[in-house]
Amino acid sequence: GAGVSQSPSNKVTEKGKDVELRCDPISGHTALYWYRQRLGQGLEFLIYFQGNSAPDKSGLPSDRFSAERTGESVSTLTIQRTQQEDSAVYLCASSPTYGNTIYFGEGSWLTVV
Amino acid sequence: QQQVKQSPQSLIVQKGGISIINCAYENTAFDYFPWYQQFPGKGPALLIAIRPDVSEKKEGRFTISFNKSAKQFSLHIMDSQPGDSATYFCAASMQSSGYALNFGKGTSLLVTP
Repeated sequence: GAGVSQSPSNKVTEKGKDVELRCDPISGHTALYWYRQRLGQGLEFLIYFQGNSAPDKSGLPSDRFSAERTGESVSTLTIQRTQQEDSAVYLCASSPTYGNTIYFGEGSWLTVV
Repeated sequence: QQQVKQSPQSLIVQKGGISIINCAYENTAFDYFPWYQQFPGKGPALLIAIRPDVSEKKEGRFTISFNKSAKQFSLHIMDSQPGDSATYFCAASMQSSGYALNFGKGTSLLVTP
């Protein structure tokens, strides 16, 4: 596709359930980033991948959060045992290589009830 | 901790006026400073960016001013239009972190007719 694609666009889940959020980066982009944006707040860095390697996992809020990437394509962010404070928009972004423009998807809006 | 501090939190400007948003950073290793524009329900989109070897960059009505010694940079929107009403985020990144963006908390700009 032309841009970064994320799915689902909206997800309502019950507290305690696991959720998976998917990101399809722009074709050929080697770098991929995940951010979290709570309502009315700034963007909080979670994790980035260079290829399928994640050099920096320091932004993941807890061990309930994990992410993986297959090669230089799809990435999945998994949140286990969701809590209400996990409610946010989860944004994925990709970049051709280091130091280039980072392009964002439109996000996956997660609501935990 | 917040690595990039942004002000003001909100801004109201009349059509045709100049909008000014300021950011400050501490980490001198940052070497890339972009500004992103975000409309409600959309992902952030790159507006303009600067590297620390220049003091100013202009693209149309948007200008970044960069003061390396003061560790500050600002966005100026000339001839502000109602269509510029959005949330603006400054950010900073560096090579050693894969150019993962550290965002300010955002400025909500409203341009009145």
